Amino acid sequence: EVQLVESGGGLVQPGGSLRLSCAVSGLTFSTYSMNWVRQAPGKGLEWVSYISTRNSPIYYADSVKGRFTISRDNAKNSLYLQMNSLRAEDTAVYYCARFWDTTVYMDVWGKGTTVTVSS
Amino acid sequence: QSVLTQPPSVSAAPGQKVTISCSGSSSNVGSNFVSWYQQLPGTAPKLLIYEINKRPSGIPDRFSGSKSGTSATLGITGLQTGDEADYYCGTWDSSLNAGVFGGGTKLTVL
Repeated sequence: EVQLVESGGGLVQPGGSLRLSCAVSGLTFSTYSMNWVRQAPGKGLEWVSYISTRNSPIYYADSVKGRFTISRDNAKNSLYLQMNSLRAEDTAVYYCARFWDTTVYMDVWGKGTTVTVSS
Repeated sequence: QSVLTQPPSVSAAPGQKVTISCSGSSSNVGSNFVSWYQQLPGTAPKLLIYEINKRPSGIPDRFSGSKSGTSATLGITGLQTGDEADYYCGTWDSSLNAGVFGGGTKLTVL
């Protein structure tokens, strides 16, 4: 069974940092591109970042560019999102999802991890 | 403001049909496949339609997708109360080099 499990969320003060992880099992992680997608409370889905199989290319939403860094460790079947200079507007549930490059869809999603930025 | 435009809400009676539109531009919907996601309250999004009109295993054929130019449409027939959810369209924007979603449509089955 394919599983994506996010972790690392929590309460952090504005300006602080968090590192999210996404543990992947049941598929050959190294052969798939991955996305992070977030959803603020009561709001819609917002794409955050993309990473290809070999760490290049990498793309970010303008709202997080320069503050967030996506990475992956294919040996550990894990995806990461380092979030720095966090703002109140980064408060959201963060999902990792498998992404198919050619046909641009996300077919497997984790359950999400909640990030709350507040003083 | 979402890159893709969806109606905020739609409603219909059980057993009826409903359509949800998704409007974009030449750099996203017009040049890439569109996918649709269903999000039940308190749960993660689930892929409903991919490559415009294909359904993952387990998704009933009551759900269908289509695309024309820079607009895509999700159709749901034989509405059931269990279909009440938020529906999102998504694709890739080749000019922005970014994933894009619609703002979401809340389906109410009256």
